Amino acid sequence: QKEVEQNSGPLSVPEGAIASLNCTYSDRGSQSFFWYRQYSGKSPELIMSIYSNGDKEDGRFTAQLNKASQYVSLLIRDSQPSDSATYLCAVILTNAGGTSYGKLTFGQGTILTVHP
Amino acid sequence: DTEVTQTPKHLVMGMTNKKSLKCEQHMGHRAMYWYKQKAKKPPELMFVYSYEKLSINESVPSRFSPECPNSSLLNLHLHALQPEDSALYLCASSQDLDSTVGRNSPLHFGNGTRLTVT
Repeated sequence: QKEVEQNSGPLSVPEGAIASLNCTYSDRGSQSFFWYRQYSGKSPELIMSIYSNGDKEDGRFTAQLNKASQYVSLLIRDSQPSDSATYLCAVILTNAGGTSYGKLTFGQGTILTVHP
Repeated sequence: DTEVTQTPKHLVMGMTNKKSLKCEQHMGHRAMYWYKQKAKKPPELMFVYSYEKLSINESVPSRFSPECPNSSLLNLHLHALQPEDSALYLCASSQDLDSTVGRNSPLHFGNGTRLTVT
């Protein structure tokens, strides 16, 4: 099992729709979760951090975390063509003792296309 | 614009060359990272420095040699690379490696160096 898995893409949604991106992780001790956006040829850009169970909203973006299910998601409301990019779920893993040692591990990424 | 600056933006080198990638941040972060990203793949961790000391080496070949001269600078020295080492090399920084109340600070990435080995 991969340490961080994202739902297979690519995902295509019409402009104005809600885009839903999903991610599961294998390390039950993980405490810190991030979503990054990466445009083609560019570097990853942090969109959201989430640490507690539940929802966290920032503008059109909502991150959801369920530690019991080891699941984290990102919703993009009112999707725009400028949202077209690869979205990377990232988790900071813990070692065998349950201590975080800063290893940020990425999922494979989901390519999102928002068409007008 | 990113607060993590990487130079050069593009680098073409032969297999016998020696070159260095440079990274600088002025956010007061104490953890710095090198990642490698191949086309259509996610970034893969190479090295982590914490308070200028090497904390993690993800079994990277010795032809890649990291260096952290001070808390703001991170270098990656390259020697005798192979064509398969061609990739986007990303530098990142974060406040530190510690998790405060179970919260690790996020990583902030530079724009990367596009490396081509011929």
